[in-house]
Amino acid sequence: GEDVEQSLFLSVREGDSSVINCTYTDSSSTYLYWYKQEPGAGLQLLTYIFSNMDMKQDQRLTVLLNKKDKHLSLRIADTQTGDSAIYFCAEIPPGGYNKLIFGAGTRLAVHP
Amino acid sequence: KAGVTQTPRYLIKTRGQQVTLSCSPISGHRSVSWYQQTPGQGLQFLFEYFSETQRNKGNFPGRFSGRQFSNSRSEMNVSTLELGDSALYLCATTDGSSTDTQYFGPGTRLTVL
Repeated sequence: GEDVEQSLFLSVREGDSSVINCTYTDSSSTYLYWYKQEPGAGLQLLTYIFSNMDMKQDQRLTVLLNKKDKHLSLRIADTQTGDSAIYFCAEIPPGGYNKLIFGAGTRLAVHP
Repeated sequence: KAGVTQTPRYLIKTRGQQVTLSCSPISGHRSVSWYQQTPGQGLQFLFEYFSETQRNKGNFPGRFSGRQFSNSRSEMNVSTLELGDSALYLCATTDGSSTDTQYFGPGTRLTVL
């Protein structure tokens, strides 16, 4: 079925690393995405990873992909208060015609 | 390039009314998808349009409909509004590249009273 799973909450101290985990459903999905949503705003694309990659790094963001376990993670280094938001992982199953399947979102709270 | 534009940003309607929301894609983007976001159900796919044709549809009742114009702008319509239709409606557009990366607008916040 279509069920991307994420833990709902994460609280970290400013300056620490944050790791947000996601389990997706379709091992055939070509690309997997991370989006960020701040209060009252739309979704901002953070990064994506191609399914034949294990890791992708983009400045403070590191995405790890374990295709065997269908597990995706997003690591944010040196987390700042401006990183407080909801983070969604998403996939487009094959033949999905741009139909993104989202997880429930992980609310990241960064405290001093 | 200008981003995805959605109008209006906020809307208040009463039960039984109908509503039309608009989405203007990033220049050059020909695919437009619509999503509904609610606290209870999260982000759910409504439908996707490409070259004025609906290619994919989510599990929503027929009260939800959409269309796309020749300039790729899209509208969605909800008829006979129900309280449960209160949500943030997001549209996303893509240029059809191999990454299928979708860029989202700020959303329209619909409140049904």
